[in-house]
Amino acid sequence: EPEVTQTPSHQVTQMGQEVILRCVPISNHLYFYWYRQILGQKVEFLVSFYNNEISEKSEIFDDQFSVERPDGSNFTLKIRSTKLEDSAMYFCASSVTGYNEQFFGPGTRLTVL
Amino acid sequence: AQSVSQHNHHVILSEAASLELGCNYSYGGTVNLFWYVQYPGQHLQLLLKYFSGDPLVKGIKGFEAEFIKSKFSFNLRKPSVQWSDTAEYFCAVNAPGYQKVTFGTGTKLQVIP
Repeated sequence: EPEVTQTPSHQVTQMGQEVILRCVPISNHLYFYWYRQILGQKVEFLVSFYNNEISEKSEIFDDQFSVERPDGSNFTLKIRSTKLEDSAMYFCASSVTGYNEQFFGPGTRLTVL
Repeated sequence: AQSVSQHNHHVILSEAASLELGCNYSYGGTVNLFWYVQYPGQHLQLLLKYFSGDPLVKGIKGFEAEFIKSKFSFNLRKPSVQWSDTAEYFCAVNAPGYQKVTFGTGTKLQVIP
């Protein structure tokens, strides 16, 4: 069964550094998403992406964040200058259309020191 | 704005006991409803979904949920739990026409053999 994959599984970085989290969505899916879960808190929506554009974003997704589909398979989340409060589990998801269930990857645990 | 409340943060049951996990949502219009499960060390998986039609929804692994519109509820049930159901369960809601999915805080279920 096709799955969403994410790399790395764990990323440790220093405050102020840039990080890029990578995702490979399910191949026939057209919509891609990033969510995050700070330890002990809810899974929160960050952004959705369709046709090489952001289609929705939350208030969390400020200028420090960007997303890109650099090729036909990868979908990336970049945090330009990480802060301590960016430490969280980041989940990528994909769906066939914008109105179907979303399939989630295993997550990348980001630790900012 | 959408919000989701899950009343139980941690539930401990013996095998063969019946399960009901509460979920209430807050949103003024039509909603799509989901239950996701996260087994230890694994990613979020869809258990079941409700978009329209029969308010009693059957999902995988013997789970079901009932949408009660008047109560803004979507409780998850299973008549007889197994040790393998030990996991964290997330209720989620999405407004048709939007991609953002809003999650509840999750309920950790521990099933004792």
